[in-house]
Amino acid sequence: QKEVEQDPGPLSVPEGAIVSLNCTYSNSAFQYFMWYRQYSRKGPELLMYTYSSGNKEDGRFTAQVDKSSKYISLFIRDSQPSDSATYLCAMSMFSGGYNKLIFGAGTRLAVHP
Amino acid sequence: EAQVTQNPRYLITVTGKKLTVTCSQNMNHEYMSWYRQDPGLGLRQIYYSMNVEVTDKGDVPEGYKVSRKEKRNFPLILESPSPNQTSLYFCASRGTISEQFFGPGTRLTVL
Repeated sequence: QKEVEQDPGPLSVPEGAIVSLNCTYSNSAFQYFMWYRQYSRKGPELLMYTYSSGNKEDGRFTAQVDKSSKYISLFIRDSQPSDSATYLCAMSMFSGGYNKLIFGAGTRLAVHP
Repeated sequence: EAQVTQNPRYLITVTGKKLTVTCSQNMNHEYMSWYRQDPGLGLRQIYYSMNVEVTDKGDVPEGYKVSRKEKRNFPLILESPSPNQTSLYFCASRGTISEQFFGPGTRLTVL
C-alpha cells in the first residue's frame, strides 16, 4: 500500500464547475499537507499548504485536512481553463533530521470552456 | 527572480554512456534534492542534500550519484544509464517547507 493515494483521473469539467481533488494517506506522522500544481512541461509549483486539520482558503482555492480520517482535499471554485493542470498532493514528516516530502501520483484536471 | 535551473531540458542517450544533469539555484538554500517522475508513480526522491558535502539517499537511489561541492549546485550523475532510467527528472531547492521550488525538468530517454 502506498503511503499517499491519489486518483490519477483524468478529471474533465466544464468552466465554472466546482472541482474536488482528494488524497488519502496512511501515516499519522505526517504534519504538513501541501498541494502542488504542475502545468504541462513545467515543474510543480506550490499552491497551498496547511499544518493542521481544518480549512484554508486562498481565492478560489480551499484546502481541507481531516487528520482523523487521514484525508485531504483541494476545492477549486469557479474553475477556469487556466486551471487545467496536474495537481499533486504532498505530505511531510520529520525523518532523519529533515522534513521528508511524500507525493501523491497526481490528478490530471481539464477544464473545458 | 528566485529560480532553479536544470540542463539539459531534453536528452536522448544510449545505454552505458555516462551523463550529468546540472542543477543550480539562486536562493542560497541549504536543502536540495532530485526527483524522478513516472506515470502512475508520482514524484519519487532520488537523492537529497542538506548542505555542502552532505548528501544522502532518497527512495530510489540505485544507479544515480550526486555531489554537492558548492551550495548553489547539485548535479545528478548517471554513470551507466539503463533504459529503466528513462524518466522526467526534477531538481528542487528548499528553504522552509513552504518554500520548495522545482526546476523545469529534464526529460531523459535511454535507448
